[in-house]
Amino acid sequence: EVQLVESGGGLVQPGGSLRLSCIASGFTFRSYWMSWVRQAPGKGLEWVTNVNQDGGERYYVDSVKGRFTISRDDAKNSLYLQMNSLRAEDTAVYYCVRGVGGAGAYWGQGTLVTVSP
Amino acid sequence: QSVLTQPPSASGTPGQRVTISCSGSSSNIGSNTVNWFQQLPGTAPKLLIYDYHQRPSGVPDRFSGSKSGTSASLAISGLQSEDEADYYCAAWDGSLNNYVFGTGTKVTVL
Repeated sequence: EVQLVESGGGLVQPGGSLRLSCIASGFTFRSYWMSWVRQAPGKGLEWVTNVNQDGGERYYVDSVKGRFTISRDDAKNSLYLQMNSLRAEDTAVYYCVRGVGGAGAYWGQGTLVTVSP
Repeated sequence: QSVLTQPPSASGTPGQRVTISCSGSSSNIGSNTVNWFQQLPGTAPKLLIYDYHQRPSGVPDRFSGSKSGTSASLAISGLQSEDEADYYCAAWDGSLNNYVFGTGTKVTVL
């Protein structure tokens, strides 16, 4: 059974940092592009970033460039999102997603990040 | 601001057919495959349609997808109460080098 379990969310002050983690199981992690997608409260889905199978290609939405960094550790079947200089508008549920653009797209249950004084 | 435009809402009675449109451009829908996702209330999104019209195993055949030019559509035939959800189209945008989601459509079963 495919599973993606996110952790690391919480309450952080503006300007602070958080590191999200996603542990994958039930599939060959190293074979997939992986993404982070977020959803602000009551709003739609917003793709944030993705990374290819060997970590050599990474893309970011403009609003997080220079602040967020995606990485992966295939030995640990894990995906990470380092978030720095957090802003109120980064408040959202962050989902770890396997291959969001393909036939095998699969979503974790998400972790809530709240940026507030 | 999303580059894929969907109607904010759609509705129908049980058994009816509902269609949701997704309007994009040549840099996304016009040149890359489209996925559709279903998000039931309080849950994570789930893949409903991939590659414009393909259904993953387990998705009922009353869900169907299509594409014409720079637009895509999702149709739900024989609408059921459990289809009440938010639906999102999505595609890679080669100009932005971003994966883009549609604005989302809330489907209500009357």
